[in-house]
Amino acid sequence: ILNVEQSPQSLHVQEGDSTNFTCSFPSSNFYALHWYRWETAKSPEALFVMTLNGDEKKKGRISATLNTKEGYSYLYIKGSQPEDSATYLCAFGNNAGNMLTFGGGTRLMVKP
Amino acid sequence: EAQVTQNPRYLITVTGKKLTVTCSQNMNHEYMSWYRQDPGLGLRQIYYSMNVEVTDKGDVPEGYKVSRKEKRNFPLILESPSPNQTSLYFCASSFTTRAGYSPLHFGNGTRLTVT
Repeated sequence: ILNVEQSPQSLHVQEGDSTNFTCSFPSSNFYALHWYRWETAKSPEALFVMTLNGDEKKKGRISATLNTKEGYSYLYIKGSQPEDSATYLCAFGNNAGNMLTFGGGTRLMVKP
Repeated sequence: EAQVTQNPRYLITVTGKKLTVTCSQNMNHEYMSWYRQDPGLGLRQIYYSMNVEVTDKGDVPEGYKVSRKEKRNFPLILESPSPNQTSLYFCASSFTTRAGYSPLHFGNGTRLTVT
């Protein structure tokens, strides 16, 4: 079983703060890195799929970067809003198989 | 509307009573997968399918069966459920046969309790 770790496990910020969290994954046999947003009582929704070292993706106030050589990805949220409160999941796909391995998630809570 | 539909949303059953959780997608996706989510453990893959009649084990396949007779359907079967299978289950699908290349679309989840 591949080791995909996310940190921190949880994070409390004030509305307007910018924040970031980390996803660490094996640096060998990299194929793709996904980020998902999972709100309570809903199902996970895809934010980004990244496949190239140095990739940067952006959707509104949320952006992500990828370093496949050292095995990490950062997710940034600029000016956090209460509606950003959710669990953010990363998932690693390697080229040895057809599975996506998920990290444990970072739970973000934004206080108004 | 493009979606992945799971049924039922909630299920309470007793140890040993066979059950099936259905999953259907209307996006003509080739790849389908089942995950379970447990507190502190994240999403763990149970089984996946790259196409009709092609299925393979994920990280936690014990106690589960799947089938893929049609492209749109991927049911999860628990032949003899046990309390350690109490969990939140998600079905997901994606466009390509390679899991990593396109995003997963998730169903709404099935919360299973086995007493």
